[in-house]
Amino acid sequence: SQQGEEDPQALSIQEGENATMNCSYKTSINNLQWYRQNSGRGLVHLILIRSNEREKHSGRLRVTLDTSKKSSSLLITASRAADTASYFCATDPHSGNTPLVFGKGTRLSVIA
Amino acid sequence: GAGVSQSPSNKVTEKGKDVELRCDPISGHTALYWYRQSLGQGLEFLIYFQGNSAPDKSGLPSDRFSAERTGGSVSTLTIQRTQQEDSAVYLCASSSTGFNEKLFFGSGTQLSVL
Repeated sequence: SQQGEEDPQALSIQEGENATMNCSYKTSINNLQWYRQNSGRGLVHLILIRSNEREKHSGRLRVTLDTSKKSSSLLITASRAADTASYFCATDPHSGNTPLVFGKGTRLSVIA
Repeated sequence: GAGVSQSPSNKVTEKGKDVELRCDPISGHTALYWYRQSLGQGLEFLIYFQGNSAPDKSGLPSDRFSAERTGGSVSTLTIQRTQQEDSAVYLCASSSTGFNEKLFFGSGTQLSVL
């Protein structure tokens, strides 16, 4: 079963606006990661936030993590048409050597 | 190499045939992962390797699926007697910083079983 669930499934915004995507998960985690996928092929790692961190920034990306609510959000500020892609959260479960579990993703469309 | 390389990029096969998918990870990366992605879905974990050993094979969908890794580098995923439900993009990833940390993905192999 999916560990991470992204919300919304799809998001369409105008260039320059901010985009916010959310991820909820079910079990305790070591870390949570966000990946981007263009054209249904390889994924690119964006950012990793550990369970003892609450917020992390990288360029125009801001990620928050609330372990009490088992949720995370990814904010992309001042969006560009090139940000159009699918965004996935992936959780590293706390229990043993369990592989990363990916959600189904949020499809972001940025309209120029 | 500069990144994770997968071949072939596309594979069309007939139901019942065997296929072999190849992954060449980033040099020096000890962990290698196989996932598959059906259209519009998230990633389904298949198997991972630490060096040449695969501690967890529980994600393989059936005994028609097998994988190996030799020399701590190249890995092959073999699907025997392919079925239409095997059609998907098969993604390989590798990592060096630690298990489950910052995976580098290849561009995948699009498998179509007719």
